[in-house]
Amino acid sequence: SQKIEQNSEALNIQEGKTATLTCNYTNYSPAYLQWYRQDPGRGPVFLLLIRENEKEKRKERLKVTFDTTLKQSLFHITASQPADSATYLCALAGSGSARQLTFGSGTQLTVLP
Amino acid sequence: DSGVTQTPKHLITATGQRVTLRCSPRSGDLSVYWYQQSLDQGLQFLIQYYNGEERAKGNILERFSAQQFPDLHSELNLSSLELGDSALYFCASRGTSDTDTQYFGPGTRLTVL
Repeated sequence: SQKIEQNSEALNIQEGKTATLTCNYTNYSPAYLQWYRQDPGRGPVFLLLIRENEKEKRKERLKVTFDTTLKQSLFHITASQPADSATYLCALAGSGSARQLTFGSGTQLTVLP
Repeated sequence: DSGVTQTPKHLITATGQRVTLRCSPRSGDLSVYWYQQSLDQGLQFLIQYYNGEERAKGNILERFSAQQFPDLHSELNLSSLELGDSALYFCASRGTSDTDTQYFGPGTRLTVL
């Protein structure tokens, strides 16, 4: 069955460092992968989308890579700030027209001042 | 603000009851998705509508149903509620020009007592 794993449930890093979050998947051929940020009790907020034929995408302090051979995406936040503390979710979309998302369980990032 | 609205924000009800959750997508978006987020299951896709028609079904119980109206708002109906239905329910909308990104609403927190 399809499975999405995010590297750890919780990740603590020091302010100013780079946070790296991992998303691995099995039994899936996604058309694209998305990363969302979710704060407690709130809806997921879209951050970045990367397609199967793309290797890397950047947006300000965020960078995502996508390796369809390894079936892995890495999400980086550079120069992290306490305000970046949240749960980060990776989501895969199938190639069908519905494009429904399958989510990982998330990684809770805490940036310590 | 994603532009997706959901009402009510909170809902407390008893087992066996029926409730209706409402979602208004972003202006112009034809696709609406419903997701359920519980502590033990994470974010799970329930159902998708496109321009009034059901397009895809996920892990949606038979006690749950949805529809999308001509003005594109959508309702998720949950009946014969059980304690285990307590969760956050999110809707997301996706446009046709910005074809792939799903924008999530703030969610409805359902508590079944």
